Amino acid sequence: EDKVVQSPLSLVVHEGDTVTLNCSYEVTNFRSLLWYKQEKKAPTFLFMLTSSGIEKKSGRLSSILDKKELSSILNITATQTGGSAIYLCASRGSNYKLTFGKGTLLTVNP
Amino acid sequence: NAGVTQTPKFQVLKTGQSMTLQCAQDMNHEYMSWYRQDPGMGLRLIHYSVGAGITDQGEVPNGYNVSRSTTEDFPLRLLSAAPSQTSVYFCASSYLAHTGELFFGEGSRLTVL
Repeated sequence: EDKVVQSPLSLVVHEGDTVTLNCSYEVTNFRSLLWYKQEKKAPTFLFMLTSSGIEKKSGRLSSILDKKELSSILNITATQTGGSAIYLCASRGSNYKLTFGKGTLLTVNP
Repeated sequence: NAGVTQTPKFQVLKTGQSMTLQCAQDMNHEYMSWYRQDPGMGLRLIHYSVGAGITDQGEVPNGYNVSRSTTEDFPLRLLSAAPSQTSVYFCASSYLAHTGELFFGEGSRLTVL
């Protein structure tokens, strides 16, 4: 059974801090790993990492895939206040299912 | 740009009632799926489809049925609602079944009394 584990499950930081969120995966015939951000409603897409694209960056967010360690990290620099958000990691294998982790709840305080 | 449309957004049911959550996408996506989200549990896959006429079970399929008669539509049926099915439900689709970004609907909040 495919499995995705995220850590930590929750995190409280101060505005301006840099944070690193972790994701490990066990999927049959790995195809891709995706990161999403969820605020009040539906998850919104951040990055997709594959064997041919193991590093992505957009603004203050960046992500790296470590295929050897079966893991990925999401870095957020200069965090900003504005409520909480859940960061979700998901992985897809050859069975087409996209399996999500439980998410990391990030709270940024002033 | 409609994207993925879910209806209804909110629903209250009594135990034992049946209902259908509708999901439609207008992006010609091959892959469609249903997730439920409960506090502290992330998103759990209920059922998915890799094309019209093809469906398969996810992690938590019990109590739910699906069908995919067209590329655009993927309804989720609760045949006899139970309080344990109180949750937020998301429909999501992607252009290809084996890869690609998953696009989400806005979610449907279901309460079973």
